[in-house]
Amino acid sequence: QVQLQESGPGLVKPSQTLSLTCTVSGGSISSGGYYWSWIRQHPGKGLEWIGYIYYSGSTYYNPSLKSRVTISIDTSKNQFSLKLSSVTAADTAVYYCAREYGSGNYFDYWGQGTLVTVSS
Amino acid sequence: DIQMTQSPSSLSASVGDRVTITCRASQSISRYLNWYQQKPGKAPKVLIYAASSLQSGVPSRFSGSGSGTDFTLTISSLQPEDFATYYCQQSYSSPRTFGQGTKVEIK
Repeated sequence: QVQLQESGPGLVKPSQTLSLTCTVSGGSISSGGYYWSWIRQHPGKGLEWIGYIYYSGSTYYNPSLKSRVTISIDTSKNQFSLKLSSVTAADTAVYYCAREYGSGNYFDYWGQGTLVTVSS
Repeated sequence: DIQMTQSPSSLSASVGDRVTITCRASQSISRYLNWYQQKPGKAPKVLIYAASSLQSGVPSRFSGSGSGTDFTLTISSLQPEDFATYYCQQSYSSPRTFGQGTKVEIK
């Protein structure tokens, strides 16, 4: 059973960089056919896709966040990470990591989510 | 970006009711449409993928239909555990986009 778990600071100051890591267990992140994704949900709101990374390192970012987002992968640790720079209060959200199953193009496994608050 | 619009935004229903939620894409997405259920404080869970394929382990009272721009999620007989928020999501192109959600509440 694949499991994903987010980790990182729950509080980030404005203008700083939000950094989160997703640890994958029960399967190898190096397996082809999956896109390792970040998705966020503002409090009480809908879901916003941030971007994904393939095991090869290729990435695709949401154009609305592209200038501030970096997603990276560490296959030796079975982890992938999110960095979001120059954060403001508008970046306060629950951040989820998820696996997109390439053959069906749907998110089949999700982390439990982690709330990140941007505040001084 | 492809815009996804769900209706209604919320609905009240009773146990045993048949419930239908619709999702419209701003352009044709073939059958690249997925449905998720989210309960408070939990991550979304996929119910239906590729418009009409039932994810393993999901009860058969959930079904999906549609293609092109118009899609529906149907719950044939609403159960107490189905009270939640439902989202559609397109995987036709990136960026992936979600509908705004439909909250199903107890009547």
